This record gives sequence, structure tokens and C-alpha cells, in this order.
Amino acid sequence: GAVVSQHPSRVICKSGTSVKIECRSLDFQATTMFWYRQFPKKSLMLMATSNEGSKATYEQGVEKDKFLINHASLTLSTLTVTSAHPEDSSFYICSARGFGRTNTEAFFGQGTRLTVV
Amino acid sequence: SQQGEEDPQALSIQEGENATMNCSYKTSINNLQWYRQNSGRGLVHLILIRSNEREKHSGRLRVTLDTSKKSSSLLITASRAADTASYFCATVSPMDYKLSFGAGTTVTVRA
Repeated sequence: GAVVSQHPSRVICKSGTSVKIECRSLDFQATTMFWYRQFPKKSLMLMATSNEGSKATYEQGVEKDKFLINHASLTLSTLTVTSAHPEDSSFYICSARGFGRTNTEAFFGQGTRLTVV
Repeated sequence: SQQGEEDPQALSIQEGENATMNCSYKTSINNLQWYRQNSGRGLVHLILIRSNEREKHSGRLRVTLDTSKKSSSLLITASRAADTASYFCATVSPMDYKLSFGAGTTVTVRA
């Protein structure tokens, strides 16, 4: 299957700082990338959908000014958690789909464990 | 948004036994997918079943889909300790093709 690389896998930051998480599709062009948040022992909650070259579409209740998403190229999307607070601590996962593959499987990154202290 | 409900929430079985988990959903779908997640890791795609399919097999996995009942099941046969993980169903909307995940079933296979 296709490979999606997410970096970093773990990050600890101080409250009030910003953290950037990268999601790269390594062997295919990802026209659409998705960002999820997962709480312990819970399901994945879709935060936003990003399409290359256009603004991300955020799900209801997700603050777009806090969770900045950029999908500048067909292989890279970034999620920046701005002015992080302890309640932002969570597991963040990205996934990607290739061009024309809207109804097939998505490929997931390894996830990023964010801890805000 | 979360669409599916999975049952059971947790399952503990002996190696060699079969594991069955169920997923119910609420709205129409284009397809339904099952994913596996090892603790603290990303998700791995297992199998996809389209809305016009009723059953699909892949190795030791068997998935069924009943669109009239809006439900699906995943059967893992002859389980192994390495099958220990959380399993999630995810539905794909025919409107926007977003993946919506169920709550997941945590499977523990005892050696």
C-alpha cells in the first residue's frame, strides 16, 4: 500500500507555544488529506479536510485559527497547533487519498502524540 | 463526526479462536472499511466492502455488509496474539466521501 509519513511521532511543548506536525505522502500524490484527533480509548474525530492549493474545510466545532492547516503541495500537508494549551494534548493522525480515489481506502500516518505542559 | 457504533467495545479471546465484531451506522454509504490500530500507532487499512456487496474475504478476515440493517461485521478466524489491536469500522459518505469512524473494538488475543 501507499506510504504516508507523519512527523514528529511525539512532541512535548510548553503552554502558549505553537507546534507544527507534518504529513507527507511518500509514493503518491495526495490531492486530499485529512486530519484527525483521537482521545485515549476513543474513536478518531475528523478535524478538517485539506485539498492541495485550497483552504481547508473544518468540521463543526474545530477552531480554524487554532488548528492551522496548509496543503501547499501534492505530497505535504501541515497542521499547526497555535498557542497550545494542555487541553490540546492528544493524538493527532493524518491520512491521505490519491487523485481520483475518493471512494477507496485512505492511508494513514503513524500519528503524533502531542503533550502540552 | 462519528457515525458508527461498534459492538462489543472490548473482546478477549484465546489464540486460535475466532473474533467477531459488529458495526452499525446511520446514514447511506458508498462503502464501508475496516481498519486496525495498534496501541499508539496509525491506522492500517484491512478491507473495503462496497454498498452493493454483501460479503468479502481477505486472508483470515471476513466482512459482511447488510445495508438494509445498516450494519457490518468483521470476523477474524484462527486468531493470533499478533491480532491484538483496536479495530475500527469507517463509512464513506456518497455525498462528500469523508471517512467517519466507529468507536472501535479492542481485541485482546491471549496466547
